[in-house]
Amino acid sequence: GAGVSQSPSNKVTEKGKDVELRCDPISGHTALYWYRQSLGQGLEFLIYFQGNSAPDKSGLPSDRFSAERTGGSVSTLTIQRTQQEDSAVYLCASSFERGAEAFFGQGTRLTVV
Amino acid sequence: KQEVTQIPAALSVPEGENLVLNCSFTDSAIYNLQWFRQDPGKGLTSLLLIQSSQREQTSGRLNASLDKSSGRSTLYIAASQPGDSATYLCAGRGSGGYQKVTFGTGTKLQVIP
Repeated sequence: GAGVSQSPSNKVTEKGKDVELRCDPISGHTALYWYRQSLGQGLEFLIYFQGNSAPDKSGLPSDRFSAERTGGSVSTLTIQRTQQEDSAVYLCASSFERGAEAFFGQGTRLTVV
Repeated sequence: KQEVTQIPAALSVPEGENLVLNCSFTDSAIYNLQWFRQDPGKGLTSLLLIQSSQREQTSGRLNASLDKSSGRSTLYIAASQPGDSATYLCAGRGSGGYQKVTFGTGTKLQVIP
């Protein structure tokens, strides 16, 4: 596609349930990032992928959070046993390996009730 | 560890005024610096990208500068319009390893008609 695509755009889930968030990067972009933005807060780095590997997953808040990327393309961010503090907008971005602009998707707004 | 700071956190100006948003970073070894705009409830839109070898970039009424030695970047907005109201974020991409992107906390701009 022409841009970074994230799905779903909105997700409401019950506390304790698992959720999967999807990111389709721009074709050919090898770098992929996940960020979280809580209400009124800045962007919090979660994880970075270069190809299918994740050299930096230091931002994942807990072991309930995991992410994978397959075929150097689509990435999924999984949150297990969701908690209310997980409510936020989850943003995905992609870029070429070196030096190019990072392009963001529109985000997935997750609400845990 | 790269830290990016934006001052002021919020700014309110009358329409037509020229204004400057500031971004400071602690690690001067950046590969590039990117300015984004975020509208409420939306994702990020890339505005300008400055490579480490460049000193400024211009797009329409926007001009971004980069001074690596002092660890600063500025975004100049000329003849501000109400449609410029948004949160502006700067992000530095590291030059080593996997080039992690670190975001500032943002400046929320309101242009009053």
